[in-house]
Amino acid sequence: KAGVTQTPRYLIKTRGQQVTLSCSPISGHRSVSWYQQTPGQGLQFLFEYFSETQRNKGNFPGRFSGRQFSNSRSEMNVSTLELGDSALYLCASSYQATSGPYEQYFGPGTRLTVT
Amino acid sequence: AQSVTQLGSHVSVSEGALVLLRCNYSSSVPPYLFWYVQYPNQGLQLLLKYTSAATLVKGINGFEAEFKKSETSFHLTKPSAHMSDAAEYFCAVRRRSGGYQKVTFGIGTKLQVIP
Repeated sequence: KAGVTQTPRYLIKTRGQQVTLSCSPISGHRSVSWYQQTPGQGLQFLFEYFSETQRNKGNFPGRFSGRQFSNSRSEMNVSTLELGDSALYLCASSYQATSGPYEQYFGPGTRLTVT
Repeated sequence: AQSVTQLGSHVSVSEGALVLLRCNYSSSVPPYLFWYVQYPNQGLQLLLKYTSAATLVKGINGFEAEFKKSETSFHLTKPSAHMSDAAEYFCAVRRRSGGYQKVTFGIGTKLQVIP
């Protein structure tokens, strides 16, 4: 099986712009979660989607949004970029969101740099 | 509230020495517990998971972890460190919350292996 893929791998944007990141989960996985990773804050949960519905949301401002398509692919959008949004954005997929210890499988991440 | 504490943001061991990375969790009920490893510029890779089937869990690359309910701990060990073990390690707790699964990650421990 192919793993979780994320595009693009690297991105440089300027303040005020917006950005869209894409994640394709492992085939058969219906849950997709997004995380922001920074050296100071570690891994912070952004949101989780399951069958096109947002099931969980972390404590991030409304500038961060996401969606999931019928094929389980997910996109994350950040509007009005700030310098502090520079981070590694990780996508993780799992088989089931509502029960069981199903582990998450992570993509390689998108490195976003805001200048 | 649920949290995960990883003691020691940086750990150094000599090649061939025991690796011990500490993880404590706080939860009202036994959760599902995971250890992930992250190599530079990569996503997280699952090392092992605890699902209540056995308290001693064996994972990949020679790592294992023991769940101790009385100590609310899930420490990661490896008898003999290899240079290739140098990476960052994350402990994570997955627990049912409000009908959905919620994952909380520790801050991470960077393992340095000295030749």
